Amino acid sequence: EAQVTQNPRYLITVTGKKLTVTCSQNMNHEYMSWYRQDPGLGLRQIYYSMNVEVTDKGDVPEGYKVSRKEKRNFPLILESPSPNQTSLYFCASRNPGSPKADTQYFGPGTRLTVL
Amino acid sequence: GQSLEQPSEVTAVEGAIVQINCTYQTSGFYGLSWYQQHDGGAPTFLSYNALDGLEETGRFSSFLSRSDSYGYLLLQELQMKDSASYFCAVRDWAKAAGNKLTFGGGTRVLVKP
Repeated sequence: EAQVTQNPRYLITVTGKKLTVTCSQNMNHEYMSWYRQDPGLGLRQIYYSMNVEVTDKGDVPEGYKVSRKEKRNFPLILESPSPNQTSLYFCASRNPGSPKADTQYFGPGTRLTVL
Repeated sequence: GQSLEQPSEVTAVEGAIVQINCTYQTSGFYGLSWYQQHDGGAPTFLSYNALDGLEETGRFSSFLSRSDSYGYLLLQELQMKDSASYFCAVRDWAKAAGNKLTFGGGTRVLVKP
């Protein structure tokens, strides 16, 4: 089954404690991205990656890091989480070169609370 | 920059028709897509318009007018399960290096019995 998986689904942590949210897709998609979703603000892109070892900032990259060492994986790293990073996070992937270039597949989401 | 405007909330009864409008401003434009998100769930792709006109997929249709920078999603024969948030999104050729999708703020549709 074609899917994007994320882990963990729920996480409560404390300020300053480094954490990683994993993301993996099994569709061989080149393009992957991370979004955060906050009430009234819609989906805002944090980082994206066009292919292995190619990453770039989205609209709200401050406080986040990413890496793309393999095509299928795109982890999101919070080196020193702060309460304003409490949010719902989605990983997504798509294939820009395909006829379905605008079909983006989302992971199930990770609800993060930073105390 | 890019911006997309859509209503924040729409309420309708079962069996009714709802139209969700989306106006956009971009420096370039590939097409307009629509996503559905149920509470607690992930967004899922509904439809995509690259050219002017109406695209129909079952009870849902999507329309685009490139000259007006405007599109809409039409939900027909509303069912309770259609209660969800609906997002429009644009892909901007001016940001081809990122091939980025930018999303509107979402329209919450509440279907009442």
